[in-house]
Amino acid sequence: QKEVEQNSGPLSVPEGAIASLNCTYSDRGSQSFFWYRQYSGKSPELIMSIYSNGDKEDGRFTAQLNKASQYVSLLIRDSQPSDSATYLCAPWRDNDMRFGAGTRLTVKP
Amino acid sequence: GAGVSQSPRYKVAKRGQDVALRCDPISGHVSLFWYQQALGQGPEFLTYFQNEAQLDKSGLPSDRFFAERPEGSVSTLKIQRTQQEDSAVYLCASSSTGTGIYGYTFGSGTRLTVV
Repeated sequence: QKEVEQNSGPLSVPEGAIASLNCTYSDRGSQSFFWYRQYSGKSPELIMSIYSNGDKEDGRFTAQLNKASQYVSLLIRDSQPSDSATYLCAPWRDNDMRFGAGTRLTVKP
Repeated sequence: GAGVSQSPRYKVAKRGQDVALRCDPISGHVSLFWYQQALGQGPEFLTYFQNEAQLDKSGLPSDRFFAERPEGSVSTLKIQRTQQEDSAVYLCASSSTGTGIYGYTFGSGTRLTVV
């Protein structure tokens, strides 16, 4: 079992729709959870962080965390073509951040 | 600096050649991390520094890989006798805290191609 699992995609949604990205992790000791966006040929960019169970909203982005289920998700509302990228899930504990392989999202105009 | 700076941006090495990759973290950032990202994969942890101390090198794939941060700022990742499987993007990240609990800021990466 991989430490961090994400559907590789591609996930394709029409412009204006909600994109839902999911992630499961194996380390129950994970303390913080991050979502990074990575455009093709670019480096990862931090877009969301969540530390406790529940939802956290920031603009069009909502992160959801359920530690009991070892599940974290990212919702992107009103998806735009500029959201087309790979989204990396990254649980963290004790100076150790692990990444999933990422989900490739395509938003079609 | 304003961001994490890595150089060179691209490096082509002949198999067996030694390479050195440089990372200049955000000024004042205590923690520095190196990751390796193969095509289509997520970043894989290589090593971690807190100031000048290398606290975790468990991700270095072999003894051909060596990293240092002698003055607690700039770091160099050195790969000796490069092999084709070393071809990847090498990412450096830094964090203002000693642990990185609030996330890391990544540099643009160095794309290494071994031919």
